[in-house]
Amino acid sequence: GAVVSQHPSWVICKSGTSVKIECRSLDFQATTMFWYRQFPKQSLMLMATSNEGSKATYEQGVEKDKFLINHASLTLSTLTVTSAHPEDSSFYICSARDSSITNEKLFFGSGTQLSVL
Amino acid sequence: AQTVTQSQPEMSVQEAETVTLSCTYDTSESDYYLFWYKQPPSRQMILVIRQEAYKQQNATENRFSVNFQKAAKSFSLKISDSQLGDAAMYFCAYRSYSGGGADGLTFGKGTHLIIQP
Repeated sequence: GAVVSQHPSWVICKSGTSVKIECRSLDFQATTMFWYRQFPKQSLMLMATSNEGSKATYEQGVEKDKFLINHASLTLSTLTVTSAHPEDSSFYICSARDSSITNEKLFFGSGTQLSVL
Repeated sequence: AQTVTQSQPEMSVQEAETVTLSCTYDTSESDYYLFWYKQPPSRQMILVIRQEAYKQQNATENRFSVNFQKAAKSFSLKISDSQLGDAAMYFCAYRSYSGGGADGLTFGKGTHLIIQP
């Protein structure tokens, strides 16, 4: 089946630094990728929709200057958490849509646990 | 905006028994997708089952089946012959059909399923 690779799986950083998370579709092209955030014991919340070659679409309440998204190719989207603070500590998950098949096929990465000290 | 409600924070079932997880949703759209995802302790999101709203027939996948009531906006998941490996968080999710694949998922808050040996 289709695989989405997300890296790193966990990261610890100091407050004020930036962290980049990568999401790659390994065996299919993904014109659209999605980024979610999940706080402990809570649900997944959609943060933004990443479209190849264009600007990302952010959900209401998500700061676009803090969460920079780049989708420069059909297989890679990156999420950069800029000037991270402890309240940004969370589990971040990406998902990708296979452009070649019906649009309900979504595949999830394994997630990134971000801890900001 | 669409909302998804899971009213059971936690459910417990004896191994080999049957359990039903509830989900209701609110939407003004006529075409959409509904999903059940499983999230084990590894936090990898695993698709359990999906339903297209235009299909009247309830989706089934081996021991997993749904009861889709479009008029009532209800989408419950039935797990038959429960196994220890079924223990996980279960999320009900909604996705619009009209966005051409550009819409992310809206998740419910989840139900923690415990399997008693």
